[in-house]
Amino acid sequence: LAKTTQPISMDSYEGQEVNITCSHNNIATNDYITWYQQFPSQGPRFIIQGYKTKVTNEVASLFIPADRKSSTLSLPRVSLSDTAVYYCLVGEGYSGAGSYQLTFGKGTKLSVIP
Amino acid sequence: DADVTQTPRNRITKTGKRIMLECSQTKGHDRMYWYRQDPGLGLRLIYYSFDVKDINKGEISDGYSVSRQAQAKFSLSLESAIPNQTALYFCATSDPGGYEQYFGPGTRLTVT
Repeated sequence: LAKTTQPISMDSYEGQEVNITCSHNNIATNDYITWYQQFPSQGPRFIIQGYKTKVTNEVASLFIPADRKSSTLSLPRVSLSDTAVYYCLVGEGYSGAGSYQLTFGKGTKLSVIP
Repeated sequence: DADVTQTPRNRITKTGKRIMLECSQTKGHDRMYWYRQDPGLGLRLIYYSFDVKDINKGEISDGYSVSRQAQAKFSLSLESAIPNQTALYFCATSDPGGYEQYFGPGTRLTVT
């Protein structure tokens, strides 16, 4: 399993762009990178997923360099409602060999300050 | 209505009691999962099921069992609850790729 390393916490002011970087040095060829958001006492919510280069949706952007050993989640112009824990996951999902590969780490606690 | 529902939402039970947590989904997904989350920690996978006839142990299955009664229903049981099973439990479903999982609202379980 590819292990991930993220900052434990980050602070940001409202209106700023926030970049959260995740390291995954032993990512495998078939692994995808997925980010989830979790508010207190709620289940995680899928934000974005990518394999390489850049992916953008209505919520965030995901930047993945060519070596894929890290990835950066970018949240544009954060608001107070973006205060949450953000998880970086690396895995193949169902590997086809009967094993399940996605693992949630401790995540990054983002606090948005007024 | 929510796509993934969990019952009960909160439960307090005593050590040694048997307890069942239930999960239902209306997304039509074959894949379902049970996780637990302890304060300050990420989610840990307990069991997962890729279809009605498929049950697999996750990272921390000891002390737990599951039943997949139908495509839409996946139950988690604690045969003899112990205090260190006090946690927030989440059920989730996913499509075949498995990357995008849809989580229920969680069940807060306290074992005294």
